[in-house]
Amino acid sequence: KQEVTQIPAALSVPEGENLVLNCSFTDSAIYNLQWFRQDPGKGLTSLLLIQSSQREQTSGRLNASLDKSSGRSTLYIAASQPGDSATYLCAVRSQVTKETSGSRLTFGEGTQLTVNP
Amino acid sequence: DTEVTQTPKHLVMGMTNKKSLKCEQHMGHRAMYWYKQKAKKPPELMFVYSYEKLSINESVPSRFSPECPNSSLLNLHLHALQPEDSALYLCASSPRTVLARGNEQFFGPGTRLTVL
Repeated sequence: KQEVTQIPAALSVPEGENLVLNCSFTDSAIYNLQWFRQDPGKGLTSLLLIQSSQREQTSGRLNASLDKSSGRSTLYIAASQPGDSATYLCAVRSQVTKETSGSRLTFGEGTQLTVNP
Repeated sequence: DTEVTQTPKHLVMGMTNKKSLKCEQHMGHRAMYWYKQKAKKPPELMFVYSYEKLSINESVPSRFSPECPNSSLLNLHLHALQPEDSALYLCASSPRTVLARGNEQFFGPGTRLTVL
């Protein structure tokens, strides 16, 4: 059974700092990995999607890397801003069971980021 | 239209009520999902529809009944809920079917449900 862990659970940094959020998963047989952002009481906003054949993806100040063999991904946020304060969720898409060809997302518990002005 | 919409935003219901949650997307996506999210926890998958057919049911109690009337619309019918069912209910969609490995999921804003 796929398990996803995110470290740290919470992070507080001053504005302008570069930071790294970590995600690890137990089963390396994944199809892709997706990073989301969630503001309190709101839905999830997709930030970056990395396919299993890719090593990294970039969008603006965000850079996500994937090391499938070691079961790790990182989300790098450059020059953090107070507006980046949110919970960041990592999710991996893997096979549901060996008997089906469906797939599902398994989420980590998230990292709650606070960027202080 | 590049978003998933959900109505209502908030819902308060008694344990004997019947209500429905609605989700809509006009991006031509072929898979749609219902998730339940409790406070400070990640979303938990409930149901997946692929080409309007129920593809995955994560052993959800029968008091939750999904329906996919067409490729753009997904409903979740609620009946005889319990207070512990209070949560944020999220709908998502993805471009290809649940079989497609490279799928990216797009989420709606959610319905905040309170069961009294």
